[in-house]
Amino acid sequence: GPKVLQIPSHQIIDMGQMVTLNCDPVSNHLYFYWYKQILGQQMEFLVNFYNGKVMEKSKLFKDQFSVERPDGSYFTLKIQPTALEDSAVYFCASSFTKPSAETLYFGSGTRLTVL
Amino acid sequence: GDQVEQSPSALSLHEGTGSALRCNFTTTMRAVQWFQQNSRGSLINLFYLASGTKENGRLKSTFNSKESYSTLHIRDAQLEDSGTYFCAAPNNNAGAKLTFGGGTRLTVRP
Repeated sequence: GPKVLQIPSHQIIDMGQMVTLNCDPVSNHLYFYWYKQILGQQMEFLVNFYNGKVMEKSKLFKDQFSVERPDGSYFTLKIQPTALEDSAVYFCASSFTKPSAETLYFGSGTRLTVL
Repeated sequence: GDQVEQSPSALSLHEGTGSALRCNFTTTMRAVQWFQQNSRGSLINLFYLASGTKENGRLKSTFNSKESYSTLHIRDAQLEDSGTYFCAAPNNNAGAKLTFGGGTRLTVRP
C-alpha cells in the first residue's frame, strides 16, 4: 500500500536545541498531519496542513512548533527550542482528500528524546 | 468536542479464540478508521468505513453511524495479532483531522 516515510526514526537532542522531523508523504497526497504519542498512549492531533497553510492546530502545537512543505519536498515539523515534555513519538500522516472521505496513511514515527 | 471512546482498554485472548472491540462516539461521525499498532510502534491500516461492514481475513469491522458506534471483530486470534488497536474518526466541523480513541491493548497468549 501507499507509504509515508519518516526520517530519522530516532532522534536524541539536548533541551533547548532545535530539531526538525522530516516526512515524505505519499506522492499525490494533498493533506498532511502530525500526531504526537507519549509512551504508547493515545494518539494526539497536533496540526494539519493543506495548500501551503496550517488549517487547524491543537493546544499541543505550541508556539515553538512550526510546519512547512517547501516546493513539494519533505513535510517538516520543527521544534525550536525543544523542552523535556517534547519527548514522544511523532507520527506524520497524509491523505489525498479529507479524512471524512478517505483513509489517512501514517508513517512509522520518529522517536524524539529530549535530554 | 468530539469524543471517541474505546472498550475494553485491555484484552487477553488465547490463540484460536476471538472477541470484539468497540468504539463509541459521542456525536454522529461520518466515517471510522481502525489501526493496529504493532510491537515496533508502527500504525497499520486495518479498515476505513463510511458505513456497513468490511471483512479482511480474520478481521471484520462494522460501522453504525446512526447509533454512533463501530466494532472490530477478531476471530482465530494469532500471536502476531498482539498490539494496541485504535479507532479514529474525522471531526465534524471540517472533517480534516482524525480523533483517536484511547486504544485497546490486546495480548494473545499461546
